[in-house]
Amino acid sequence: AQSVAQPEDQVNVAEGNPLTVKCTYSVSGNPYLFWYVQYPNRGLQFLLKYITGDNLVKGSYGFEAEFNKSQTSFHLKKPSALVSDSALYFCAVRDTGGGNKLTFGTGTQLKVEL
Amino acid sequence: KAGVTQTPRYLIKTRGQQVTLSCSPISGHRSVSWYQQTPGQGLQFLFEYFSETQRNKGNFPGRFSGRQFSNSRSEMNVSTLELGDSALYLCASSLAGYFTDTQYFGPGTRLTVL
Repeated sequence: AQSVAQPEDQVNVAEGNPLTVKCTYSVSGNPYLFWYVQYPNRGLQFLLKYITGDNLVKGSYGFEAEFNKSQTSFHLKKPSALVSDSALYFCAVRDTGGGNKLTFGTGTQLKVEL
Repeated sequence: KAGVTQTPRYLIKTRGQQVTLSCSPISGHRSVSWYQQTPGQGLQFLFEYFSETQRNKGNFPGRFSGRQFSNSRSEMNVSTLELGDSALYLCASSLAGYFTDTQYFGPGTRLTVL
């Protein structure tokens, strides 16, 4: 069965500093990985995905993620954080058993302070 | 293009009642998935519909059911509501549910069971 771990419940970073939100995964077969962001009282917004190809994936709002197969990680990064990036971030992996099921991590609350 | 819409946005019910939630996918999307989000269990997959057929199902009791119409709109129903069913219910749509497809989420329906 697929699983995703987000080891940090909360990440604090100062505005203008780089940010990293960590994610590790466990899958049998090829990993299809996604990052979503959730603002209060809102649904999930898609940021980026890794399907195949380049290990550095660029997404929306200046976010990127680095896929590392040997470390089974898919960390989300941004070179310069904004206060408006403060939100709940979810890493997810597509179920390889067919269908359209995503298995999500527990989420990481990002707080960007002035 | 309009995004995924869900109605109603908020719902209050009492134990033992039943409830129906509605989801309209992005135009052209044929796959609709449902997820339950709670503080304790996080994001959990309920089921997926594609071309009016349930293609995948999560580990939820039979009180949770769904259907999809020929225009790809989907409904989910919860019968005999329990307090633990209080949650944010999220609907997501994708083109065809292939491994590489992105799921786009609606704003959710916040269900409170009293």
